[in-house]
Amino acid sequence: EVQLVESGGGLVQPGRSLRLSCAASGFTFDDCGMHWVRQAPGKGLEWVSGISWNSGGKGYADIVKGRFTISRDNAKNSVFLQMDSLRLDDTALYYCVKERGSEGSGWLDSWGQGTQVTVSS
Amino acid sequence: DIQMTQSPSSLSASVGDRVTITCRASQSISRYLNWYQLKPGKAPKLLIYTASSLQSGVPSRFSGSGSGTDFTLTISSLQPDDFATYYCQQSYTTLLFTFGGGTKVEIK
Repeated sequence: EVQLVESGGGLVQPGRSLRLSCAASGFTFDDCGMHWVRQAPGKGLEWVSGISWNSGGKGYADIVKGRFTISRDNAKNSVFLQMDSLRLDDTALYYCVKERGSEGSGWLDSWGQGTQVTVSS
Repeated sequence: DIQMTQSPSSLSASVGDRVTITCRASQSISRYLNWYQLKPGKAPKLLIYTASSLQSGVPSRFSGSGSGTDFTLTISSLQPDDFATYYCQQSYTTLLFTFGGGTKVEIK
């Protein structure tokens, strides 16, 4: 059974940093692209960032480009999202998502339960 | 970036109704279109991938169609468990995905 367990969320002040982690199990991690998707309160789903199986490809939504950095450690079956210069509108539930595919053009077939990030002064 | 536009943004329907949700891409995305269901307090669930392929375990009352810029998700006979919000998502642009704005299906 695929399991994706996010951690690292919390309450943080504007301008500060936070690092999200996602521990994956139940599938061959280094066969899959991985992504982060968020949902702000009362809003829809928003793709944030994705990374290919070997970290050779990384992508970011325009709204987070230059502030967020995605990475992965295939030896530890983990994916990370370093979030710097956080803004109030980054407040959201952040999901770790597995791609059915390896290069970042597949579909998102397994989702974690999410970790809440709240940016507030 | 490719923009995805869903319509309607919400709809009211009764159990047993046929429901159709539309998703339009700002440019051709071939069949790189996926559909998800989101319920409050639960993780999103993949329903349909590559426009018309039914994800394993998803009831056959769900179907998808379309290619290029215009796509539809159809629920042939709405069930109580189907009241939720539905999102389309394009995966045409590698590592630069976008979601539609969502369609909330409510009980009439």
